[in-house]
Amino acid sequence: QQKVQQSPESLSVPEGGMASLNCTSSDRNFQYFWWYRQHSGEGPKALMSIFSDGDKKEGRFTAHLNKASLHVSLHIRDSQPSDSALYFCAASSGGSNAKLTFGKGTKLSVKS
Amino acid sequence: NAGVIQTPRHKVTGKGQEATLWCEPISGHSAVFWYRQTIVQGLEFLTYFRNQAPIDDSGMPKERFSAQMPNQSHSTLKIQSTQPQDSAVYLCASSPDWGGGTQYFGPGTRLLVL
Repeated sequence: QQKVQQSPESLSVPEGGMASLNCTSSDRNFQYFWWYRQHSGEGPKALMSIFSDGDKKEGRFTAHLNKASLHVSLHIRDSQPSDSALYFCAASSGGSNAKLTFGKGTKLSVKS
Repeated sequence: NAGVIQTPRHKVTGKGQEATLWCEPISGHSAVFWYRQTIVQGLEFLTYFRNQAPIDDSGMPKERFSAQMPNQSHSTLKIQSTQPQDSAVYLCASSPDWGGGTQYFGPGTRLLVL
């Protein structure tokens, strides 16, 4: 079973719209979560980290973490065509087990 | 800051040949990670080093894959007797905090085994 599951697989939103991406973990050892974005031909780039319950906002991006349900979400407001990319949720147990476990990704398309 | 540097960006090998991939982490970062990305499997962890010492190689295929970090400025991933199923994008990442800090990825090396 995939330890980090993302939904939806793909998402299309109009320019200026809101994009909502979801991620659920099945491993309660995961304490640290990140959202990464990957454009074609590039490596993943960290967008946000979230380690505590609640919301974290950075510009147009808001992440939400619920540790009880191991659910993480990412909301992108005022979506731009340049936001079109593959978005990954990643989780880690931290400490000596610092490796990231990634979800399969959500492909976001922003239509102008 | 040039970010994580990976060379070559593209490599084509014949089945059974050896492939060596290079990674230069961000200066001052103490942790270096290797991942593999394919369409089918997604992003998978291979191995990581902390202060040049190997910490976790649980994701490495045991027989043909090896990784080293001879100094703080570079790491190598070597694949012996390459097979078509080794075709993937190999990504290197570094982090200033081995315990749980953000990992910064390089552009990757796209390996194609014919």
